[in-house]
Amino acid sequence: GAGVSQSPRYKVAKRGQDVALRCDPISGHVSLFWYQQALGQGPEFLTYFQNEAQLDKSGLPSDRFFAERPEGSVSTLKIQRTQQEDSAVYLCASSSPTRDRVKSPLHFGNGTRLTVT
Amino acid sequence: EDQVTQSPEALRLQEGESSSLNCSYTVSGLRGLFWYRQDPGKGPEFLFTLYSAGEEKEKERLKATLTKKESFLHITAPKPEDSATYLCAVRRTTGKLIFGQGTTLQVKP
Repeated sequence: GAGVSQSPRYKVAKRGQDVALRCDPISGHVSLFWYQQALGQGPEFLTYFQNEAQLDKSGLPSDRFFAERPEGSVSTLKIQRTQQEDSAVYLCASSSPTRDRVKSPLHFGNGTRLTVT
Repeated sequence: EDQVTQSPEALRLQEGESSSLNCSYTVSGLRGLFWYRQDPGKGPEFLFTLYSAGEEKEKERLKATLTKKESFLHITAPKPEDSATYLCAVRRTTGKLIFGQGTTLQVKP
């Protein structure tokens, strides 16, 4: 596709429910990032994949958060036993392979807005 | 600890009134400073990357500059369509971006 695609766009969950958020990166992008953005704040890093390998998960706030990218393309962020403090926009980003991957800008999707009631 | 601070938090301008947004940072192993624009309900949209002190980049009414401790986003003769939140981020050697809290710009006609 032309850009990073995330689904669903909106998700309402009752406290204690499990949710799964999907990210389709730009075709051919090897790096994939998940961020959490609270209202009025900048995005906060959650986790990073290079192909199927999860290289950094230092930003995941608790063991209720789990991310996977089994075939190095589509990624899923799963939140178990959701709590009200999990309410936020979850952004996915991917970056293109260049000689210096660190210099490649991140291209973001429009996010999934999660509301936990 | 890595830190990115943006100021002001909010800025209201009249159309045509030029101004600057500030991004100050402390980070070990800087691998670039990034500016993004974010519209309500959308993801951040990439604007610029700066790598070394003294570097400048321009795009339409926007110009970004970089020193060893801060970056400025200069907006010349802004228009209402420039209204958005502008995010600054620094990249560490690990590759992840660390964002500031953003500056929300409103340009009134």
